[in-house]
Amino acid sequence: DQQVKQNSPSLSVQEGRISILNCDYTNSMFDYFLWYKKYPAEGPTFLISISSIKDKNEDGRFTVFLNKSAKHLSLHIVPSQPGDSAVYFCAAIPYGGATNKLIFGTGTLLAVQP
Amino acid sequence: DTEVTQTPKHLVMGMTNKKSLKCEQHMGHRAMYWYKQKAKKPPELMFVYSYEKLSINESVPSRFSPECPNSSLLNLHLHALQPEDSALYLCASRTTWGTGELFFGEGSRLTVL
Repeated sequence: DQQVKQNSPSLSVQEGRISILNCDYTNSMFDYFLWYKKYPAEGPTFLISISSIKDKNEDGRFTVFLNKSAKHLSLHIVPSQPGDSAVYFCAAIPYGGATNKLIFGTGTLLAVQP
Repeated sequence: DTEVTQTPKHLVMGMTNKKSLKCEQHMGHRAMYWYKQKAKKPPELMFVYSYEKLSINESVPSRFSPECPNSSLLNLHLHALQPEDSALYLCASRTTWGTGELFFGEGSRLTVL
């Protein structure tokens, strides 16, 4: 039962344009949502998070939007750069204690073309 | 220091060997995690330690044995592994409060022959 889904396994975008990565979830009991970026053979790197009580969080070129009624979040990268090419995972943390597990989506491979 | 350090980066072992993976962080995080990641799949949680005590074991086979000797160190002892256990093993840590951001190490690439 995949509680966090990324339905696009890959995305290709031109340099300078906007990249939009999408994520859907099925469980209303998530407290925080996070986006991670991962290069091959490296650990995931945290990008940005959003609390379930907010609908937008921005950090530089990265903005995350949360639509709770649709159980949908998205990551916008503007402008996209070739160095952004990586696998992007969305993740969710259920309400509760600090050791609650981070539930990862299946990932989207972003390729930014020069 | 915002790093989680994992050693070794690469490990090749036979099915009868005993080896260990090590993880260290000095951020004062009291929750530490082991994840396993296969190619083109998301990280899968294996174990969670909270305040040096095992709090979550995701039904991991006993050939994987975690250990948290102190608040900065996390080990994963490996014995009698199978070739299908070959994967990238990721250690992570986080604070026990706040946004829940996990800091990951670069991983240990394990190959079981």
